[in-house]
Amino acid sequence: RKEVEQDPGPFNVPEGATVAFNCTYSNSASQSFFWYRQDCRKEPKLLMSVYSSGNEDGRFTAQLNRASQYISLLIRDSKLSDSATYLCVVSSGGSYIPTFGRGTSLIVHP
Amino acid sequence: DAMVIQNPRYQVTQFGKPVTLSCSQTLNHNVMYWYQQKSSQAPKLLFHYYDKDFNNEADTPDNFQSRRPNTSFCFLDIRSPGLGDAAMYLCATTRTSGTGDTQYFGPGTRLTVL
Repeated sequence: RKEVEQDPGPFNVPEGATVAFNCTYSNSASQSFFWYRQDCRKEPKLLMSVYSSGNEDGRFTAQLNRASQYISLLIRDSKLSDSATYLCVVSSGGSYIPTFGRGTSLIVHP
Repeated sequence: DAMVIQNPRYQVTQFGKPVTLSCSQTLNHNVMYWYQQKSSQAPKLLFHYYDKDFNNEADTPDNFQSRRPNTSFCFLDIRSPGLGDAAMYLCATTRTSGTGDTQYFGPGTRLTVL
């Protein structure tokens, strides 16, 4: 079983739709969780950290479920510019070596 | 302002011809990483430096070497590139704080091997 698993997609949604991605992790000692966004042929960029209490940044909401060992990313009112690959990143407590998921591809169409 | 800079952005080399990729950072971060990323795959960690301490991943081929002459700079040397080494090479940095730390990535160098 891979340490961090994501559905590669693609998720193909119309503008304005709400879309959600999940990411499961296998290491129960994981402490830090992130969502990165990667545009085609560009570098990953931090979208948001995921806190135990969940967090929201505009149209984006991230949540953590420790019991089931997954994190989620919800995007409301999708924009064309949201089209990208969303990478789930997990690291265990005190570790500075994160583990990346392979990413979920989102395509938002008019 | 660019915080993690990679040069060149695009590198074309011939099969077996050594190539060096460079990375510099203005963040004064103590950890620097080199990743290899191929299409539709997760970034694969090749090695990282914690300060001056070099850490090689077990499955990183011997063909890949790295140097970190100072805090700001890090180099990736590919001694004899093969066709399978064509990929995006990403440099990243972080400042360790005892908890999970955000990584900052450079724009990457896209390597083509002819």
